[in-house]
Amino acid sequence: QQQVKQSPQSLIVQKGGISIINCAYENTAFDYFPWYQQFPGKGPALLIAIRPDVSEKKEGRFTISFNKSAKQFSLHIMDSQPGDSATYFCAAGNNDMRFGAGTRLTVKP
Amino acid sequence: NAGVTQTPKFQVLKTGQSMTLQCAQDMNHEYMSWYRQDPGMGLRLIHYSVGAGITDQGEVPNGYNVSRSTTEDFPLRLLSAAPSQTSVYFCASSYEGLGYTFGSGTRLTVV
Repeated sequence: QQQVKQSPQSLIVQKGGISIINCAYENTAFDYFPWYQQFPGKGPALLIAIRPDVSEKKEGRFTISFNKSAKQFSLHIMDSQPGDSATYFCAAGNNDMRFGAGTRLTVKP
Repeated sequence: NAGVTQTPKFQVLKTGQSMTLQCAQDMNHEYMSWYRQDPGMGLRLIHYSVGAGITDQGEVPNGYNVSRSTTEDFPLRLLSAAPSQTSVYFCASSYEGLGYTFGSGTRLTVV
């Protein structure tokens, strides 16, 4: 059973729009919550991450919102661009990261 | 600075054959992990290590062995390959088990 559940599976957004991807986790011992971006044929690359003592973290156009009581966190991509088209993975864990199933984002020009 | 290097990039095995996927990192990271990536299932943790001489099982360890004799290297061994092990394998390393740096992957096909 998957310890990290991610939705939606795929997402299509117009250029300039906001992309929102959601994740839920089960293990309350998890203390690190990163998001990764993966382009075809490449390995995942760390995008942004948050610790559970913070409710929001912003880096440029990317924001993580974290709800500890609901055991949920989300990635918001503001002003989405065609270059953001990729697969996004959330993850959660301590030393051993468990990943969600991924969201394929397409940003239409 | 090469980061995380995986070899080979592609491999075809026959059922029952054994092989070792190599992984090396030059960032002096203590933490290293192996993942497999299958369509619609994201990345699943096979084995991980928090330092030389220490390894532990992840979500899907069956059919795989690992060892960590040095900080730099973390090879993954397939003991007797099965078609269900056809996948893309990623090695990753991290400082303190936080933001992992991934290699470029090994695409393995078992026929």
